[in-house]
Amino acid sequence: GENVEQHPSTLSVQEGDSAVIKCTYSDSASNYFPWYKQELGKGPQLIIDIRSNVGEKKDQRIAVTLNKTAKHFSLHITETQPEDSAVYFCAASSTQGGSEKLVFGKGMKLTVNP
Amino acid sequence: KAGVTQTPRYLIKTRGQQVTLSCSPISGHRSVSWYQQTPGQGLQFLFEYFSETQRNKGNFPGRFSGRQFSNSRSEMNVSTLELGDSALYLCASSLGSSGAYNEQFFGPGTRLTVL
Repeated sequence: GENVEQHPSTLSVQEGDSAVIKCTYSDSASNYFPWYKQELGKGPQLIIDIRSNVGEKKDQRIAVTLNKTAKHFSLHITETQPEDSAVYFCAASSTQGGSEKLVFGKGMKLTVNP
Repeated sequence: KAGVTQTPRYLIKTRGQQVTLSCSPISGHRSVSWYQQTPGQGLQFLFEYFSETQRNKGNFPGRFSGRQFSNSRSEMNVSTLELGDSALYLCASSLGSSGAYNEQFFGPGTRLTVL
């Protein structure tokens, strides 16, 4: 089955710096890669996603890149702000007969220091 | 549009008891997936329901079961609770249309503590 590795597990940056989170996956059939942000006491919130027919996607200060050959994808956050502090999860999925199962990385705790 | 709601938000049970958790998906969403989140194992897929049928299942023992009603609301049941079942249980809803991936939206979770 699919296995998703995520690193680093923690990252501390100064406000205004950039942050990068990297993930690798094992199943070449995976074709959907969402990123979730989870704040304390809340459920994961979808912040951006990318599909296998796209190499890069950007939404304001966040961008994702996907390298299908190398089976890795990354999240880039620019101009970080204290409210970006949270745990970020990458995930991978393949659509099998319409069934949807997300396999998550272990998460990365991002701390943005003011 | 209202988001995914889960009840109760917190539960305390003792070993051997059973528990039922409830999830109401976003209006119009027909797929509900359940995940277990623990510090050690992270987020792990339990099962997915679509149109009242279990469509996919993770690697959890038979003590974990679920169902979905005609209005797409879903319940998850855990019988004979063990200490290791203490976790945040999350449900996620999506449109569930086949042929393309559908974004999953998570609820706030139910925090289950087993004593």
